[in-house]
Amino acid sequence: AQTVTQSQPEMSVQEAETVTLSCTYDTSESDYYLFWYKQPPSRQMILVIRQEAYKQQNATENRFSVNFQKAAKSFSLKISDSQLGDAAMYFCAYRSNRDDKIIFGKGTRLHILP
Amino acid sequence: GAGVSQSPRYKVAKRGQDVALRCDPISGHVSLFWYQQALGQGPEFLTYFQNEAQLDKSGLPSDRFFAERPEGSVSTLKIQRTQQEDSAVYLCASSRQAYPSGGITNSYNEQFFGPGTRLTVL
Repeated sequence: AQTVTQSQPEMSVQEAETVTLSCTYDTSESDYYLFWYKQPPSRQMILVIRQEAYKQQNATENRFSVNFQKAAKSFSLKISDSQLGDAAMYFCAYRSNRDDKIIFGKGTRLHILP
Repeated sequence: GAGVSQSPRYKVAKRGQDVALRCDPISGHVSLFWYQQALGQGPEFLTYFQNEAQLDKSGLPSDRFFAERPEGSVSTLKIQRTQQEDSAVYLCASSRQAYPSGGITNSYNEQFFGPGTRLTVL
């Protein structure tokens, strides 16, 4: 069975600084998607960034980028120029290419210090 | 356009009561998912519908949980004889396409999430 592990329950970063959230996963499949979701206090799950496993190039979305290491099964999220609005729970997630069921990690709560 | 909506946003039930949680997916979305998010945890898959057909209910924790989507749009998650361990946020998500029909495909089918219903069982 696939699993997603986030080992950092909470992190803090100074506004305008850079922070990296860690994630590892386990799967026997070769084709899959990885995601980072943001969940603010409103509870709305918002997709931040996705990575297709067959792509070697790391995904980037504005201030958000990932470091995808397929062999190591590692998928970290880097947030540059942190803003107060980035404060939220961040979930790393996995989706097999065989179905649409998403498997989530336990999350990392990110605090932004003004 | 309107996103996924869920109602009620908050529900308090006494242990043993039945509850019904509603999800209105994005119009035209074929796939609909329910997830359960316990406090301090990530969401966990409960069940999946493709139109009105419930194709996967492997995540439902017990036979007290029942979901339906009779006309292929609105879905209801019903929990009978609620227990304290049922307290959680219940998230609904919809996506435009169906499951891959077979084999492996690289098509991407984004799930759009609703705001969830927070259920508290006393």
